[in-house]
Amino acid sequence: KQEVTQIPAALSVPEGENLVLNCSFTDSAIYNLQWFRQDPGKGLTSLLLIQSSQREQTSGRLNASLDKSSGRSTLYIAASQPGDSATYLCAVWTETSGSRLTFGEGTQLTVNP
Amino acid sequence: NAGVTQTPKFRILKIGQSMTLQCTQDMNHNYMYWYRQDPGMGLKLIYYSVGAGITDKGEVPNGYNVSRSTTEDFPLRLELAAPSQTSVYFCASSYATGGLYEQYFGPGTRLTVT
Repeated sequence: KQEVTQIPAALSVPEGENLVLNCSFTDSAIYNLQWFRQDPGKGLTSLLLIQSSQREQTSGRLNASLDKSSGRSTLYIAASQPGDSATYLCAVWTETSGSRLTFGEGTQLTVNP
Repeated sequence: NAGVTQTPKFRILKIGQSMTLQCTQDMNHNYMYWYRQDPGMGLKLIYYSVGAGITDKGEVPNGYNVSRSTTEDFPLRLELAAPSQTSVYFCASSYATGGLYEQYFGPGTRLTVT
């Protein structure tokens, strides 16, 4: 059974800092990995999708990498801003999980002005 | 496209009452899902559907029912509401083609059972 772990559970950084959020998964037979952002009281917004054949995806100040063989993904946020404060979740679609995503518990990020 | 829409946004139920949470997507996605998220916790899958007429249980299906008569709609029915069902409910839909699979979420319904 696929398990997804996100470390750290919470992170507080000063504005302007570059930071890395980590996601690890136990079953490397994945189709793709998706990073989401969730603001308090809101739904999940998709940030980046990495297919299993890709190594990384970029969108603005965000860069997500995928090392499928080691079961790891990182989300790099450059020059963090207070507006980046949110919970970030990663989720994987595993070849053996049918049509269901497996989610991590998320990293709660606070960027202080 | 409106994406995934959910109604209502908020609802307060008394113990034992029933209600239906509505979910509609206009992206022609085959897959649809219901999750619940308790305060400070992760997402838990309640039910999902891979197409019209096909539904299956997730991790926490007890106390809920679903139906999928059309591609667009996937309502979630709560029978005999209990305080343990106080949560935020998210509907999601996905496409899956050529190994590419991306999930889109609705804004959520905040339900309180008292």
